[in-house]
Amino acid sequence: NAGVTQTPKFRILKIGQSMTLQCAQDMNHNYMYWYRQDPGMGLKLIYYSVGAGITDKGEVPNGYNVSRSTTEDFPLRLELAAPSQTSVYFCASRAGGEGTEAFFGQGTRLTVV
Amino acid sequence: AQTVTQSQPEMSVQEAETVTLSCTYDTSESDYYLFWYKQPPSRQMILVIRQEAYKQQNATENRFSVNFQKAAKSFSLKISDSQLGDAAMYFCAYPNQAGTALIFGKGTTLSVSS
Repeated sequence: NAGVTQTPKFRILKIGQSMTLQCAQDMNHNYMYWYRQDPGMGLKLIYYSVGAGITDKGEVPNGYNVSRSTTEDFPLRLELAAPSQTSVYFCASRAGGEGTEAFFGQGTRLTVV
Repeated sequence: AQTVTQSQPEMSVQEAETVTLSCTYDTSESDYYLFWYKQPPSRQMILVIRQEAYKQQNATENRFSVNFQKAAKSFSLKISDSQLGDAAMYFCAYPNQAGTALIFGKGTTLSVSS
């Protein structure tokens, strides 16, 4: 059982480049999330989705876009990468309901130079 | 805005000792869940324990237990008989008002010495 799979694990981007971080889950979870983790700042919510075709902004959505065409996949798109987007990105999923556990991918370390 | 505060950026404990990590939060909801997650150096986020605010009894999972004070909006994690493998960053979290996403604190880095 793979759980939540993120690719790539590491990436270096040049300023102005674009890329897509991939996230897939095989648990049939309705809820999916993208967080970024910066040192000393905890996890901040970028975007989330409560089901296929439905997405919503989190706390720090600027500079990112998402789509949710299937239950399984929730890619995060970075357009015109900036040094401020250097971070570790986590994808997560939950079945839904307040008490349900969030399952996380292993993270993507992104450096923008 | 809903907030989660972890006031201890770093904590340390000796093996076999007990340590308590603190967390306070702000919500207007009457029933909700609270979570503690562990992030070891591997970066993998792992659920440690969860507590339903409606329940009076504090949750316990083996060596991990919580001290939940609903009126004070406090949710501390106690680790008993600390082990070297407990060294990690610990995050407190709870759902946003709509129940659609988890809000995380800034984390506490726990080091364990032998």
